[in-house]
Amino acid sequence: EAQVTQNPRYLITVTGKKLTVTCSQNMNHEYMSWYRQDPGLGLRQIYYSMNVEVTDKGDVPEGYKVSRKEKRNFPLILESPSPNQTSLYFCASSLWGGDLNQPQHFGDGTRLSIL
Amino acid sequence: GQQLNQSPQSMFIQEGEDVSMNCTSSSIFNTWLWYKQDPGEGPVLLIALYKAGELTSNGRLTAQFGITRKDSFLNISASIPSDVGIYFCAGQRRSGGTSYGKLTFGQGTILTVHP
Repeated sequence: EAQVTQNPRYLITVTGKKLTVTCSQNMNHEYMSWYRQDPGLGLRQIYYSMNVEVTDKGDVPEGYKVSRKEKRNFPLILESPSPNQTSLYFCASSLWGGDLNQPQHFGDGTRLSIL
Repeated sequence: GQQLNQSPQSMFIQEGEDVSMNCTSSSIFNTWLWYKQDPGEGPVLLIALYKAGELTSNGRLTAQFGITRKDSFLNISASIPSDVGIYFCAGQRRSGGTSYGKLTFGQGTILTVHP
């Protein structure tokens, strides 16, 4: 089954304790992206990657890191989480043929609470 | 960062009514997308628009790419209870450089349909 898998689905942690949210897709997609969703703000793009070893900032990259060492994985790293990073996070992937004519497939989300 | 203004923020309608929502931007987008998000799930692509003036349908859904490339509209005809959810518009620029893969979302329209 084609899917985007995020782990964990839920996490409660404390300020300053490094954490990683994993994202894996089994569709051989070139493009992957991370978003955060907050009430009244919709989804905001954190980072995206157009292929292995190619990453770029979205609209809200501060406080986050990503890596794309393999095509299927795109982990989101919070080196020193803070309460304002409490949010619902989505990973997404799509084929990339030079335009965005392929739909982005979203994971089921990761709800992070930073105390 | 760039933001899309989506309206209305919420709608409460009776089953069978038609629904209209729109997104506007202060700058041009080359691609407009409409997504729906059900509770506890990631967004799912409904319609993609690639040309100014384009009108595209997907069942009871119809979306248009504004002629100025700064806006887009989504209409749902004869609403049914399963239309309930959050609808998001998203825009992308197909310019070169590092912003090529960025996707910007509207704040979302929460749709409630009363049987």
